[in-house]
Amino acid sequence: EVQLVESGGGLVKPGGSLRLSCAASGFTFSSYSMNWVRQAPGKGLEWVSSISSSTSYIYYADSVKGRFTISRDNAKNSLYLQMNSLRAEDTAVYYCARGYSSQVWGQGTLVTVSS
Amino acid sequence: QSALTQPASVSGSPGQSITISCTGTSNDVGGYNYVSWYQQHPGKAPKLMIYDVSDRPSGVSNRFSGSKSGNTASLTISGLQAEDEADYYCSSYTSSSSNVFGTGTKVTVL
Repeated sequence: EVQLVESGGGLVKPGGSLRLSCAASGFTFSSYSMNWVRQAPGKGLEWVSSISSSTSYIYYADSVKGRFTISRDNAKNSLYLQMNSLRAEDTAVYYCARGYSSQVWGQGTLVTVSS
Repeated sequence: QSALTQPASVSGSPGQSITISCTGTSNDVGGYNYVSWYQQHPGKAPKLMIYDVSDRPSGVSNRFSGSKSGNTASLTISGLQAEDEADYYCSSYTSSSSNVFGTGTKVTVL
């Protein structure tokens, strides 16, 4: 079964850091680009970042550029999002998704930035 | 990158057809055939319904169809069913090699 499972969310103070992980299974992880997408409480979807299958291409939304870093470990079938200098407006459910059209999504992990 | 524009809500009776629009610019929707549509039920992860403007993933009902004209993409749901009640989002690749989502549309089955 194709599956993505996010972890690492939680409560963090403004200015703090958090690292999200996304464990992939059921498909050849190294063959797909991967994305992070977030959804603030009661709001719409927002694309955060994408990484190509070989990490040659990495892109970020302007709202997180310079603060967030996407990475992957194809040997461990895992995707990561290092989030630094967190702000209240980063509070959201963070989803990882597979492929350029996000064919497969994880269940999401909640990140809450609050003092 | 500004969000693509969708109507806030669309409604229809069971069996009817509804269409959701998604308006962008020549730098996103109008410039590429990489428009996708997602369905999201409350508390659930989004589900891909349409990709590359009009292609359906395996397992998605053929009641869902997509199209594009100029800077506006559309999702049509035919034979509306109660289970189609959900939020729908469009998404497009952009000229800055990023992605942008639409503002979202709540579909209500009357």
